Amino acid sequence: GDSVTQMEGPVTLSEEAFLTINCTYTATGYPSLFWYVQYPGEGLQLLLKATKADDKGSNKGFEATYRKETTSFHLEKGSVQVSDSAVYFCALSKGTSYDKVIFGPGTSLSVIP
Amino acid sequence: EAGVAQSPRYKIIEKRQSVAFWCNPISGHATLYWYQQILGQGPKLLIQFQNNGVVDDSQLPKDRFSAERLKGVDSTLKIQPAKLEDSAVYLCASTINQVTQELFFGEGSRLTVL
Repeated sequence: GDSVTQMEGPVTLSEEAFLTINCTYTATGYPSLFWYVQYPGEGLQLLLKATKADDKGSNKGFEATYRKETTSFHLEKGSVQVSDSAVYFCALSKGTSYDKVIFGPGTSLSVIP
Repeated sequence: EAGVAQSPRYKIIEKRQSVAFWCNPISGHATLYWYQQILGQGPKLLIQFQNNGVVDDSQLPKDRFSAERLKGVDSTLKIQPAKLEDSAVYLCASTINQVTQELFFGEGSRLTVL
């Protein structure tokens, strides 16, 4: 069945370091891909998305490119801040109202000053 | 615009007891989801509603879990009887955009089964 795999955490970085969180997926057809973020004590919220191959999603300095040839959607940010400390979830959906959104296991990020 | 509301935020029960969680989605959102998030794992879909009809409940343990969405608005998820392994955060989410599937989540209801 469809699934999402993420790099294991926790990831600890110093402020202003470069961030990459790897995400790969297995799915039939042409899924939409998402990154959700969960800040401490809050609900999940959408960070960015891409709906077709080669699309780049971006938000708050984060970027991810939909690579169909490698079935990947890696999350990157050039310079992380302490406020980016959170759990990041990669997810996919087939994009119709009757297809569920499938989440990866999450990657915890801690940014230290 | 009000977000997805869930209650209670926290619940502690003994095994074999029952518990119910309530969710009120964002106004106008036709699709509602219940997810179970066990500590250290990603959310796992339990049930998906489209208006007041069930679209997907394939991963709902139907011998102990039930959910309803009367009138196509708010929803209740019930567990009876609870087991230790049901300890988790129960997340409710809703969506209006059926193409992009952007989900809006509530803050969750944390269940501890002793």
